[in-house]
Amino acid sequence: GAVVSQHPSRVICKSGTSVKIECRSLDFQATTMFWYRQFPKQSLMLMATSNEGSKATYEQGVEKDKFLINHASLTLSTLTVTSAHPEDSSFYICSPISGDRVTEAFFGQGTRLTVV
Amino acid sequence: GQQLNQSPQSMFIQEGEDVSMNCTSSSIFNTWLWYKQDPGEGPVLLIALYKAGELTSNGRLTAQFGITRKDSFLNISASIPSDVGIYFCAGRSRGAQKLVFGQGTRLTINP
Repeated sequence: GAVVSQHPSRVICKSGTSVKIECRSLDFQATTMFWYRQFPKQSLMLMATSNEGSKATYEQGVEKDKFLINHASLTLSTLTVTSAHPEDSSFYICSPISGDRVTEAFFGQGTRLTVV
Repeated sequence: GQQLNQSPQSMFIQEGEDVSMNCTSSSIFNTWLWYKQDPGEGPVLLIALYKAGELTSNGRLTAQFGITRKDSFLNISASIPSDVGIYFCAGRSRGAQKLVFGQGTRLTINP
């Protein structure tokens, strides 16, 4: 399978601060990146889709100004949670997709964000 | 958003037993994927299915792509403690990049 590296694995931040999560595809070029959010005992919920060099497309109900996505290169995408609130505490997971391997989907290790 | 109907939601079994779970959809998919997620980790791809009727194995795991393209099942034979976790099915429609996920099946094994 593809090698996907997501950092940090855990982060605790204070309310009002911003947190950046990185996702790297180490052995393929990620033309598309999906960012998911997962609440305890629930399935993955797609937040946004980004294509390299383009603005991200956000799912309904996801605030684009709060969850900033940057996909400036084919191997790195970042999700920044701005002005974090306790309700933003969740498990965030990235999933890079390669244009020539679109039928497969691999995931990062996930980031547990706790806002205090 | 759209979700697949995955069942059962949870299973409590004895070590050594076989396990079966399935997913159904109201729409047709061209790809079915099965994942396992351990606590605090991202999902790990177990089996990918691309053709209707396809039956694919990965060790003790076997999955099938339903003939109608609207369902898939995953079987685990002779379960062991490390099989504990949450299993998700995911489907993708023709031409789509997004995956649609099932609600997950939480597997607990009593030694």
